[in-house]
Amino acid sequence: RKEVEQDPGPFNVPEGATVAFNCTYSNSASQSFFWYRQDCRKEPKLLMSVYSSGNEDGRFTAQLNRASQYISLLIRDSKLSDSATYLCVVNRGGTSYDKVIFGPGTSLSVIP
Amino acid sequence: DTAVSQTPKYLVTQMGNDKSIKCEQNLGHDTMYWYKQDSKKFLKIMFSYNNKELIINETVPNRFSPKSPDKAHLNLHINSLELGDSAVYFCASSQDGAVYGYTFGSGTRLTVV
Repeated sequence: RKEVEQDPGPFNVPEGATVAFNCTYSNSASQSFFWYRQDCRKEPKLLMSVYSSGNEDGRFTAQLNRASQYISLLIRDSKLSDSATYLCVVNRGGTSYDKVIFGPGTSLSVIP
Repeated sequence: DTAVSQTPKYLVTQMGNDKSIKCEQNLGHDTMYWYKQDSKKFLKIMFSYNNKELIINETVPNRFSPKSPDKAHLNLHINSLELGDSAVYFCASSQDGAVYGYTFGSGTRLTVV
């Protein structure tokens, strides 16, 4: 089993739809979590950190469930510009250079 | 100003050659990384340096040698290139990445022919 797994894609949704991605991780000692977005042929960019209490940034909501070892990302009112690959990122340790594992990514296409 | 810049952006070279990729960050971050993204889009960490010291060295062939002359630079030298080395290589940096995440360069697309 891979250490970080994500919903298989691609997700094709119409503009305005709500879409949710899940990510599971196997190492219960993992301490910090992020969602990144990667556009085609571009570098990954930090979308948001994921906090235990859940956090929201505009149309994006991230949740963490430590007991079940999964994190989620909810996108409301999808825009065409949301089309990208969304990467779940898990940091096993408490320092910046502890092992960071990227999930395989979930591809989202928002259709007019 | 580009926060993490890497050069070259594209690199096409023959098998057996030696090549280098350079990376510089102007964010004042203490930690820098090299990641490899293969054709299946998996991003895997290769190396991590903290204040010029090697911290993480994943299972990477010793043909890959990182060098960090100072904390703002982390270069990657690859000897005897093989077809399987073809990938996109991303440099990244962080300051307390566990809290604030990582900033990536725009990537170097390496093609070995």
